[in-house]
Amino acid sequence: KAGVTQTPRYLIKTRGQQVTLSCSPISGHRSVSWYQQTPGQGLQFLFEYFSETQRNKGNFPGRFSGRQFSNSRSEMNVSTLELGDSALYLCASSPGPSSTDTQYFGPGTRLTVL
Amino acid sequence: QQQVKQSPQSLIVQKGGISIINCAYENTAFDYFPWYQQFPGKGPALLIAIRPDVSEKKEGRFTISFNKSAKQFSLHIMDSQPGDSATYFCAVKTGANNLFFGTGTRLTVIP
Repeated sequence: KAGVTQTPRYLIKTRGQQVTLSCSPISGHRSVSWYQQTPGQGLQFLFEYFSETQRNKGNFPGRFSGRQFSNSRSEMNVSTLELGDSALYLCASSPGPSSTDTQYFGPGTRLTVL
Repeated sequence: QQQVKQSPQSLIVQKGGISIINCAYENTAFDYFPWYQQFPGKGPALLIAIRPDVSEKKEGRFTISFNKSAKQFSLHIMDSQPGDSATYFCAVKTGANNLFFGTGTRLTVIP
């Protein structure tokens, strides 16, 4: 089975722009979660989607949003980019939304905001 | 607010030695305790996980020890190898499918 894929792998944007990141989960997985990883704050949960519905949301401003499509693929969007948004954005998929379902991570998208 | 506290921040071990990483938590509602391994340029990969009704779980050279009363759990890597050099994260979940991660431990295994 193919793993979680994320595109693009690298992005460079300037302050004020917006960006859309894409995630394709493992085949058959219906839950997709997004995380932000930075050297200062570590790994932080952004949001989780299951059956096209956002189930959980972390403590991030409204500039961060996401969606999930009927084929379980997911996108996240960051509007009005700030320098502090520079990070590795990780997508993780799991079979379902249970707390004991294992989350499998993709390689991430490295976003640099100049 | 850090949901789980991880130590040490970095660890250097000789090849063949035992690596031990510890995590502590406060919320007794946590019901799933995984450990992830991350290599540079890669996403975290699940190593081993435990539920609170089990005190120990072993998979190959990796063992989780879980102390429910002390609200602590630890990862032991036996016979550590240079290929184990990576960053290790403990994590917790409570009823929902979102992980709260520790701050990470950078392990270096010296040949």
